[in-house]
Amino acid sequence: QVQLQESGPGLVKPSGTLSLTCAVSGGSITSSNWWSWVRQPPGKGLEWIGEIYHSGSTNYNPSLKSRVIISVDKSKNQFSLKLSSVTAADTAVYFCASLFDYWGQGTLVTVSS
Amino acid sequence: SYELTQPPSVSVSPGQTARITCSGDALPKKYAYWYQQKSGQAPVLVIYEDSKRPSGIPERFSGSRSGTMATLTISGAQVEDEADYYCYSTDSSGMGVFGGGTKLTVL
Repeated sequence: QVQLQESGPGLVKPSGTLSLTCAVSGGSITSSNWWSWVRQPPGKGLEWIGEIYHSGSTNYNPSLKSRVIISVDKSKNQFSLKLSSVTAADTAVYFCASLFDYWGQGTLVTVSS
Repeated sequence: SYELTQPPSVSVSPGQTARITCSGDALPKKYAYWYQQKSGQAPVLVIYEDSKRPSGIPERFSGSRSGTMATLTISGAQVEDEADYYCYSTDSSGMGVFGGGTKLTVL
């Protein structure tokens, strides 16, 4: 059974960089899946951030593209999200997922000084 | 930017049929997916590729697509089906997008 687990700081200062990692267990990140990041501001809907294939190919939400980098580390069976120049509007629960199969439990990241 | 439009809320009585719509210009060429999200939990896929049901999802959940609209139907809605429902699809360039979500009330 594949499981995903997000990890990273729960508090980030404004103008800083949000960094999260998603560890994949019970399966290989080199399977035929795209690995995604999705976020959900408190009380609001889901927002697709972007995705990466194990080859390194990426797709990003155009509204976030200038601030987002998604990368993959096959040796550690994990993928990561970096979101730069954060503001309070980036406060959200961040999920990692293989959208049509597996989701992490989500981690709350608050942007505040 | 591409958008998927859902009604903010749908309300039915237990045992009735609930229908949640999702409209988007690219839907005639792109699959729709549906997620159920209960409070404080990760989303759960209930319909994929317009009308297919993942293993473990009750048969009362079904999906369809016609033109620019996809529909999630819950036949004989149960109290435990009360949740937020999101459609998901991609735009013409392959970028993912979620609908705004529909709060289903069953009471």
